[in-house]
Amino acid sequence: AQSVTQLDSQVPVFEEAPVELRCNYSSSVSVYLFWYVQYPNQGLQLLLKYLSGSTLVKGINGFEAEFNKSQTSFHLRKPSVHISDTAEYFCAVTNFGNEKLTFGTGTRLTIIP
Amino acid sequence: DTGVSQNPRHKITKRGQNVTFRCDPISEHNRLYWYRQTLGQGPEFLTYFQNEAQLEKSRLLSDRFSAERPKGSFSTLEIQRTEQGDSAMYLCASSLGGGAPETQYFGPGTRLLVL
Repeated sequence: AQSVTQLDSQVPVFEEAPVELRCNYSSSVSVYLFWYVQYPNQGLQLLLKYLSGSTLVKGINGFEAEFNKSQTSFHLRKPSVHISDTAEYFCAVTNFGNEKLTFGTGTRLTIIP
Repeated sequence: DTGVSQNPRHKITKRGQNVTFRCDPISEHNRLYWYRQTLGQGPEFLTYFQNEAQLEKSRLLSDRFSAERPKGSFSTLEIQRTEQGDSAMYLCASSLGGGAPETQYFGPGTRLLVL
């Protein structure tokens, strides 16, 4: 069985400050990891994904994430946030041959002007 | 717009009524997924199709729920005898089939409120 823990349900950050959204996973087999963003009244949009290779993954809108197998983490970072980054962020996990994504409970990112 | 579309976007119904939602995936995608998202939670997997075949169903999908994808294109999710606990956002996603996990593209969802 797989699970995802997003440790922070809400993260307030000042505009232009850096941010890190934490994600830890649990799985008995090799994993593939994803970060999705959900803007108000919209569907989920893929920010980035880790399948294999380099543990530092770059995504859209200036976000990046680092896969750390020893710490079973996949934290999302952005060096300087903008008002438009206000949204809910979901970390998700799956593995080879498994079609379903297992999501965390989400982190609501609020940008303070 | 060539993304995943879902209809209706909102549905209010009374307990005990049946409801049906429709999902139109991205045209070349052969895999289609249904998820449910309740307030304050992440999406939870319900079921998925490869072409017209329903290949996996979650335990969350009680016998009141049925999903179809008759021609391998659009899909419908029907809930019979709705209960207040069915109130949630129902999300549809689609992807290309392949060896490695392909990106799942999500629709805007159908928000169901059962009174």
